[in-house]
Amino acid sequence: EAGVVQSPRYKIIEKKQPVAFWCNPISGHNTLYWYRQNLGQGPELLIRYENEEAVDDSQLPKDRFSAERLKGVDSTLKIQPAELGDSAVYLCASSDRGTPASEGYTFGSGTRLTVV
Amino acid sequence: DQQVKQNSPSLSVQEGRISILNCDYTNSMFDYFLWYKKYPAEGPTFLISISSIKDKNEDGRFTVFLNKSAKHLSLHIVPSQPGDSAVYFCAASGNNDMRFGAGTRLTVKP
Repeated sequence: EAGVVQSPRYKIIEKKQPVAFWCNPISGHNTLYWYRQNLGQGPELLIRYENEEAVDDSQLPKDRFSAERLKGVDSTLKIQPAELGDSAVYLCASSDRGTPASEGYTFGSGTRLTVV
Repeated sequence: DQQVKQNSPSLSVQEGRISILNCDYTNSMFDYFLWYKKYPAEGPTFLISISSIKDKNEDGRFTVFLNKSAKHLSLHIVPSQPGDSAVYFCAASGNNDMRFGAGTRLTVKP
């Protein structure tokens, strides 16, 4: 099984430009998470999807960030316009409704964004 | 609000010795506590967890201890191996929410 697939792996953009990240979760996983990990910190939740519905987007900066999960499978996270402070690793994770909470989530390798 | 704290940014141990990584939390409502391991350029991978109703969980060389009265958990790795060198994140989950600590970078020297 491929695991959680994210692309691109790395992205360098100038400030004020738009950027998008893509995530393909594990097949059959209904819950999808986007996390942001700043340098020297742990991952912080941006948004959680149950199928195609965003059930927790309270930490998503909605003035510049948007996300979608069409058909409850792949997801895209977009930033427009990007700011210098958005430089971070953006992690996607997924889990199955039947997965015990004790087993956690499966993470992708992340997209490292650098805004210059 | 930092609900999960890992106060040691780094730890260095000799191969074969014990590694002890520590984590503190503030919210008593968490159901599970988890440890993730992260290699460079990879995402975190699940390592071991413990229910809030337990005080110890062991899986091979890895043991997690939970002290609920102190709101403290620790991960013990015995014996430590060079391949254990990575960043270890403590996480706490409950009510469809998971909070992570800042991580501890473990270096195991041959």
